[in-house]
Amino acid sequence: NAGVTQTPKFQVLKTGQSMTLQCAQDMNHNSMYWYRQDPGMGLRLIYYSASEGTTDKGEVPNGYNVSRLNKREFSLRLESAAPSQTSVYFCASSEMGLAYEQFFGPGTRLTVL
Amino acid sequence: AQSVTQLDSQVPVFEEAPVELRCNYSSSVSVYLFWYVQYPNQGLQLLLKYLSGSTLVKGINGFEAEFNKSQTSFHLRKPSVHISDTAEYFCADFGNEKLTFGTGTRLTIIP
Repeated sequence: NAGVTQTPKFQVLKTGQSMTLQCAQDMNHNSMYWYRQDPGMGLRLIYYSASEGTTDKGEVPNGYNVSRLNKREFSLRLESAAPSQTSVYFCASSEMGLAYEQFFGPGTRLTVL
Repeated sequence: AQSVTQLDSQVPVFEEAPVELRCNYSSSVSVYLFWYVQYPNQGLQLLLKYLSGSTLVKGINGFEAEFNKSQTSFHLRKPSVHISDTAEYFCADFGNEKLTFGTGTRLTIIP
């Protein structure tokens, strides 16, 4: 089992460009999440999908959109990147909801110039 | 508002010495508490979790944590650390349908 995979690993964007971060899990989990990690701020939830077909905003959703493509895949889109979105992005999944153990991908390091 | 406080941002410890990483939670309705570890350039992985029952929770790699309701604490301990324990450690609190992470403690092991 690969667990949770994310692509790309690194990305550099110019302000205003768009991109999609891809995430897939092979553990048959119902819930998937997108976090951003910034120095001194821990992890902050951007969006989550409690189950296939549903998505909800987390703590810091502005500037992002998500798509739960199927049970395995959950993508995060930046429509018009800003320097404030420079961060490390983690995708995670869990069996059912936030109270369960989360399994994290290796992260995408994004720099917006 | 729910919050998790990790009192130390960095903790240096000599190899084979004991360590305690401190975590305090503020939610009056905290249900579950977690410790996650992040090794360099990797995602987080679960060390241990407290759901209910015994207040002393044992996790992987020799770590344990004690839930103390009166002090609203969930400190992480290991009696003897190894170089491989060098990582960042995050405490997290689930309550009111929300999971809140602390800001992390970077553990550095000194040979």
